Amino acid sequence: GAGVSQTPSNKVTEKGKYVELRCDPISGHTALYWYRQSLGQGPEFLIYFQGTGAADDSGLPNDRFFAVRPEGSVSTLKIQRTERGDSAVYLCASSSGGAQGETQYFGPGTRLLVL
Amino acid sequence: SQQGEEDPQALSIQEGENATMNCSYKTSINNLQWYRQNSGRGLVHLILIRSNEREKHSGRLRVTLDTSKKSSSLLITASRAADTASYFCATSSDYKLSFGAGTTVTVRA
Repeated sequence: GAGVSQTPSNKVTEKGKYVELRCDPISGHTALYWYRQSLGQGPEFLIYFQGTGAADDSGLPNDRFFAVRPEGSVSTLKIQRTERGDSAVYLCASSSGGAQGETQYFGPGTRLLVL
Repeated sequence: SQQGEEDPQALSIQEGENATMNCSYKTSINNLQWYRQNSGRGLVHLILIRSNEREKHSGRLRVTLDTSKKSSSLLITASRAADTASYFCATSSDYKLSFGAGTTVTVRA
């Protein structure tokens, strides 16, 4: 079946602009996660959804970052007033039930470059 | 902040040789997972080992876990050029995964 998909693959924007990154999880997966990966580092957790609600948003770096999952499937990560330090690969993952420690399946990521 | 640390940071081996990388972590965990990443994009899940397990095998992969030392190792046997990638350990103590900085493995033909 289809895996996790993310769009766009690449996004170049200017400092101060608003961007939206989209994630389509594996069909039927109730849990969805966003991570951010800077060059040479491992992914860092941003936010976790169980169904439509954000169960844990403790990884969001500041209030410029926001994510939604209105129908419990597709999720959008929104970044306002982008800064050069936001440049990174944004990874989305999903898992079947959201149980602690279950396998997460990752999408190919969106590479964001803020000029 | 990153929970785990992989060692070495980079590894270069000849095709057919074994590759071993280690992961150390700081807090108690439910399980530890290993992922592979090609070209800095999506991560592929390789293997999961639970906190009450000591060793696990999957094909050419062998993972060990020592919770008393808070460490894990990943062994890839009979390496192939296609194994060239970055390998990350990720610990799970709740819903989210905490990743190390990864080991970059290069397999020379």
